Amino acid sequence: AQKVTQAQTEISVVEKEDVTLDCVYETRDTTYYLFWYKQPPSGELVFLIRRNSFDEQNEISGRYSWNFQKSTSSFNFTITASQVVDSAVYFCALLDRGSTLGRLYFGRGTQLTVWP
Amino acid sequence: DSGVTQTPKHLITATGQRVTLRCSPRSGDLSVYWYQQSLDQGLQFLIQYYNGEERAKGNILERFSAQQFPDLHSELNLSSLELGDSALYFCASSRPGQGGGEAFFGQGTRLTVV
Repeated sequence: AQKVTQAQTEISVVEKEDVTLDCVYETRDTTYYLFWYKQPPSGELVFLIRRNSFDEQNEISGRYSWNFQKSTSSFNFTITASQVVDSAVYFCALLDRGSTLGRLYFGRGTQLTVWP
Repeated sequence: DSGVTQTPKHLITATGQRVTLRCSPRSGDLSVYWYQQSLDQGLQFLIQYYNGEERAKGNILERFSAQQFPDLHSELNLSSLELGDSALYFCASSRPGQGGGEAFFGQGTRLTVV
C-alpha cells in the first residue's frame, strides 16, 4: 500500500534559520514519483518539485533543496535562510504505477511558521 | 497561476442542500482529479476522469458524484450535505502520458455547510 508520512506536524523557526521537513514514503513499486507542494495561508496548492525513483541526485533551487534517499525511503526538504514568506503548510506526495495514473497520495502536511 | 480554474471560490450552504463545484483544466490536459481537504482526513483523492470517462474512485461518498464534459471541464456534485462535508475541494489536471507529471491544482472551493 502507498503511504506518505510527515511526522512533523508543526515547526517554528526564526527568520534566517535553516529548516528541514521530513517525508517518509511506502510503496511496493519500483517506479514512482515524489512531490512537494506548498500551501500558503491563501489556500492554493503550489507545486514545488517532482522527483522520479530512478534519479537520486539531490536538487537545489535557490534556498530550497531536496534530499532523496531510496535506502531510507525518504525525501526531505530543506529551506535555507528561511523567510517569513516561507510560512505555509508543506505537503509531500507520492505517485506510483500501482495507483491510478496521476493520483497522488499525500502526507498530512507540516505547518511551518517562520517568525521575524 | 496553475491554469486550472475552479468556481466558486467560496460556498456557504445549509445542511441537506445540493451544490455543484466546477473545474476547468489546463489547456491540453485530459485528466481531471478531485480532492477533498478536511482537518480530519487531510488531502484525500475523490475521483478521476480521463477524457470524459471515470477512471478511478477514491474515498468518495455515494452522495457525491462527478462528471467530465466534452469540453473537458468537470463538475463535482455534492448532495444531501452534512456539516462534515465542510472542506476545501481541489481540482487538478494533468496531460496524457504525463506519468509522474505534476498535477496542477486549482485554487480550491471552500465549502461551508451550516
